[in-house]
Amino acid sequence: DIQMDQSPSSVSASVGDIVAITCRASQNIGSWLAWYQQKPGRAPNLLIYAASTLQSGVPSRFSGSGSGTDFTLTISGLQPDDFATYYCQQARSFPRTFGQGTKVEI
Amino acid sequence: QITLKESGPTLVKPTQTLTLACSFSGFSLTTSTVGVGWIRQPPGKALEWLAVIYWDDDKYYNPSLESRLTITRDTSRSHVVLTMTNMDPMDTATYYCAHTQAYTGGWFDPWGQGTLVTVSS
Repeated sequence: DIQMDQSPSSVSASVGDIVAITCRASQNIGSWLAWYQQKPGRAPNLLIYAASTLQSGVPSRFSGSGSGTDFTLTISGLQPDDFATYYCQQARSFPRTFGQGTKVEI
Repeated sequence: QITLKESGPTLVKPTQTLTLACSFSGFSLTTSTVGVGWIRQPPGKALEWLAVIYWDDDKYYNPSLESRLTITRDTSRSHVVLTMTNMDPMDTATYYCAHTQAYTGGWFDPWGQGTLVTVSS
């Protein structure tokens, strides 16, 4: 199985901050990576796929970068609606695997 | 617009079999590359992928649970069923189904609202 390690597990930030979340895969996954946002009591929502492609309707302050084993989700100018937990997921092979999540707190 | 909705029991006893259904609209499981996956999330914990079924009836399972899982589809009724045998309290989680694609991307979008299943005697 491909292991996905996210860091940090939590981050405290303020409105307007730039936040970066990293995800490291245990082997080369190319650009087969997605990022999700999850708010309490809600299902995850796809933000970015193919490592850097913004899903339709997602604000442009979200961006993704990286390839191979190292990936980053950046939120440029944190908004109140962005306080949530973020997960990465590899889609290179089965079983699909997720990172452990990063909680973005005020 | 694609929508999915999970249904099934909210409470099961240890050793029982869980059967969950995912009803969907806005796409067909007979369309090339289309798939439906199941993912679960124990309270306060991370997401765990369980299984996926594709338009051609190809199926994949999480190896750690494969012996307990079965995923099937009913294309005429637009739903997918997941069964999990020998349920344990550790299987208490919110279970989600989600739309996915083969070849062009194995990400999940959109997701159903989820259904919380509690395993307790």
